[in-house]
Amino acid sequence: DVVLTQTPLYSPVTLGQPASISCRSSQSLVHSNGNTYLSWLHQRPGQPPRLLIYKISNRFSGVPDRFSGSGAGTDFTLNITRVEPDDVGVYYCLQATHFPPYTFGQGTKLEIK
Amino acid sequence: QVTLRESGPALVKPTQTLILTCTFSGFSLDTTNMCVSWSRQPPGKALEWLARIDWDDDKFYSTSLKTRLTISKDTSKNQVVLTMTNMDPVDTATYYCARIPVGFGYSMDIWGQGTTVTVSS
Repeated sequence: DVVLTQTPLYSPVTLGQPASISCRSSQSLVHSNGNTYLSWLHQRPGQPPRLLIYKISNRFSGVPDRFSGSGAGTDFTLNITRVEPDDVGVYYCLQATHFPPYTFGQGTKLEIK
Repeated sequence: QVTLRESGPALVKPTQTLILTCTFSGFSLDTTNMCVSWSRQPPGKALEWLARIDWDDDKFYSTSLKTRLTISKDTSKNQVVLTMTNMDPVDTATYYCARIPVGFGYSMDIWGQGTTVTVSS
């Protein structure tokens, strides 16, 4: 199974400052059809996850443009330009290229300093 | 509006079989390229994917849990059922169902609130 490794695991950020989370895959996530099925999800404390980004860089409906995704192959990044209080929680990357199974990263906890 | 709601027992004993139901609205599993999946999250730990069922009744399972899992759907009731046999305390977790429309990169776009299951004698 594909392993997704996120760094850092813990990210203390000052309000209004940027944040960046990395997700590295044990294999290239380019599908034979040319798509790359790498997504990012956000889970606030006590809440279910919600989809932020799909196929590397596509923002899901209602996601602010402060959130952006980038990367290719095995290395991917989620960027937040200006962290707001609602951004706290755990961020997960998720791959669907080498399905089954889906695999999640181990999560990155973002907190406000 | 798309919603999903998980239901099932809050407490099961070791070796028992867990049956969870995901009841959804706002979409149909009869629609081409629509899927529903189950994932779980032990307390304080990361998400783990369990199973997926597709509009055409294809079924897919976690590599490590596939011998214990069965997923099925009842499109007339808008429900997906997950069965997990031989429950163990390590299976204590919040279990989530989620919609997967293929058009969003096979990602889980809408999630239920989750149902917490404790395995204890």
